[in-house]
Amino acid sequence: DADVTQTPRNRITKTGKRIMLECSQTKGHDRMYWYRQDPGLGLRLIYYSFDVKDINKGEISDGYSVSRQAQAKFSLSLESAIPNQTALYFCATSETGTGYTDTQYFGPGTRLTVL
Amino acid sequence: AQSVAQPEDQVNVAEGNPLTVKCTYSVSGNPYLFWYVQYPNRGLQFLLKYITGDNLVKGSYGFEAEFNKSQTSFHLKKPSALVSDSALYFCAVRDINGNNRLAFGKGNQVVVIP
Repeated sequence: DADVTQTPRNRITKTGKRIMLECSQTKGHDRMYWYRQDPGLGLRLIYYSFDVKDINKGEISDGYSVSRQAQAKFSLSLESAIPNQTALYFCATSETGTGYTDTQYFGPGTRLTVL
Repeated sequence: AQSVAQPEDQVNVAEGNPLTVKCTYSVSGNPYLFWYVQYPNRGLQFLLKYITGDNLVKGSYGFEAEFNKSQTSFHLKKPSALVSDSALYFCAVRDINGNNRLAFGKGNQVVVIP
């Protein structure tokens, strides 16, 4: 979905390096999410944010941190990358308000390889 | 906590035949249920959702899904599969009375054989 963009699309790095993945959205949604996808495991939630001042850990937050710089921007950082963080990372957004159902809209993904 | 099971790793179907992708869920309250599709090298795309009302939900690309509360299932169906339907399909559930997190299944690879 072009309304949700992720940079970079591909990244190869070395163990111990700090990495930042960025997500921007033009959908005007309050809620933003970071997931990782691993074969056979589906999507697992890393962090989510309901607005700029509300950030929450997901099911696998260890080794990751996030920053919600603005309503439209949500960054994921790996402070010291390790090989088992090699995965496909997705950003997603959803809206709030009366009747919202939390339908999420995904970016194209960032493929991260940690050597 | 909510969870989803997609029991089959891969579904193979001949082009033109009916396609079914199975999903069962577990929530403590009433569910919101979703299907997403992922084409190669792409992000997930929303297909359809069940919130309330009619148990048969119609979505994009000719797909539909049936909510069955007694069997806690939400199987995805398409009457006549196309080769272009070959993709990875994810079922997801959210407990409307619980936290706001979507729980995804592990995904099913669908292969439509010409």
